[in-house]
Amino acid sequence: DVHLLESGGGLVQPGGSLRLSCAASEFTFSTFPMSWVRQAPGKGLEWVSTISGDGGQTYYADNVKGRFTISRDNSKNTLYLQMNTVRAEDSAVYYCAKDLVASRSTRRPFDSWGQGTQVTVSS
Amino acid sequence: EIVLTQSPGTLSLSPGERGTLSCRASQSVNDNYLAWYQQKPGQAPRLLIFGASSRATGIPDRFSGSGSKTDFTLTISRLEPEDFALYYCQQYGNSPRTFGQGTKVEIK
Repeated sequence: DVHLLESGGGLVQPGGSLRLSCAASEFTFSTFPMSWVRQAPGKGLEWVSTISGDGGQTYYADNVKGRFTISRDNSKNTLYLQMNTVRAEDSAVYYCAKDLVASRSTRRPFDSWGQGTQVTVSS
Repeated sequence: EIVLTQSPGTLSLSPGERGTLSCRASQSVNDNYLAWYQQKPGQAPRLLIFGASSRATGIPDRFSGSGSKTDFTLTISRLEPEDFALYYCQQYGNSPRTFGQGTKVEIK
């Protein structure tokens, strides 16, 4: 079974930085686009960012563009999200998610999700 | 971006009943690339349906999806106790991938 394990969440002050990690196993990590999806308390799901399998292409939601950076280390089967200049509205559970199909397209649903890591932005 | 509107917000049903959930898109979803997810409290979402009508691996056949372009439906033929949860639709045919606000299926 696919396994995704997020870490790195916590309490951070507005304007601060945090780096999330997602350790992947039981699939060929380097061939799948990977994404971050977040869920604010009591709210719905919001796509944040996607990176291609080789790391060469990245995509961001408008409200995080310029502040967040997605990256991956295929030698370590790990996905990252560097969060800078965080705001209160970035508070959420952050999930890493795997695309259903190993392809260069990002027009895919998410078939596997981690358990999430909580990020709280507060002074 | 495509806005997905789910209805109803809450569906109150009894076990064994049929549940019908709606997802309406603000514009046509390319290639009917519409997915449904189930989420239980404290858990990550689980993929149920993709491509509007294809069941994901391991999903029981009481779950079915239908629809095209802007109107999509998730049907649960006979609700089991474990089906009471939140359900989200997602379109992935147009960038950015967007989610609906969710429908809660609760026990009546």
